[in-house]
Amino acid sequence: NFMLTQPHSVSESPGKTVTISCTRSSGSIADSYVQWYHQRPGSAPTTVIYEDNQRPSGVPDRFSGSIDSSSNSASLTISGLKTEDEADYYCQSYDTTSGVVFGGGTKLTVL
Amino acid sequence: EVQLVESGGGLVQPGRSLRLSCAASGFPFDDYAMHWVRQVPGRGLEWVSGISWNSGSIAYADSVKGRFTISRDNAKNSLYLQMNSLRVEDTALYYCARAPGIWRLLFDYWGQGTLVTVSS
Repeated sequence: NFMLTQPHSVSESPGKTVTISCTRSSGSIADSYVQWYHQRPGSAPTTVIYEDNQRPSGVPDRFSGSIDSSSNSASLTISGLKTEDEADYYCQSYDTTSGVVFGGGTKLTVL
Repeated sequence: EVQLVESGGGLVQPGRSLRLSCAASGFPFDDYAMHWVRQVPGRGLEWVSGISWNSGSIAYADSVKGRFTISRDNAKNSLYLQMNSLRVEDTALYYCARAPGIWRLLFDYWGQGTLVTVSS
């Protein structure tokens, strides 16, 4: 079974760019797609990135996803930060042994 | 518009059972896999179980295997989770989530959740 490790929290100023990492503990990050979910307090999660770097319709292009095999990690980058981006962000992947695996979540503060 | 509405949560004693339901609308339900994901308030997300479009593939997290049963009724556009032998640690908000395909381990739409509290 593998784990996905995210930083507990990140913060950045409005208008800036922030990157949230998600490191896979075993197996290759490229073995299965990585998704990113965004959750505001008191609300259900919503998908911001699926299949490593695809944006669902309605998600602004300020949000982008990537994977890096050299660090065995995935990244979510948000540019032109807005106060409304403040939320918890979860990465997620899967394999046939572990099933679905979520990262522990990263609290993004925009200040 | 895709809508997923969970119901059936509540307060239950340890060892008892509860059945959750998820009513789906706005898409052809029998074209999609469905999942249950839970979240302890203030904590992270934990996948519970998933079922393919025709119930041919089913998977569970180790933490619920043997106690929980996922099922679906495509004629009623509904997903279910039968939870038996409930434990205090099963207390969480349970989300119904759609997967973008007949059997995928990722999610594109989520419901608002139903709260399950296991306590004596």
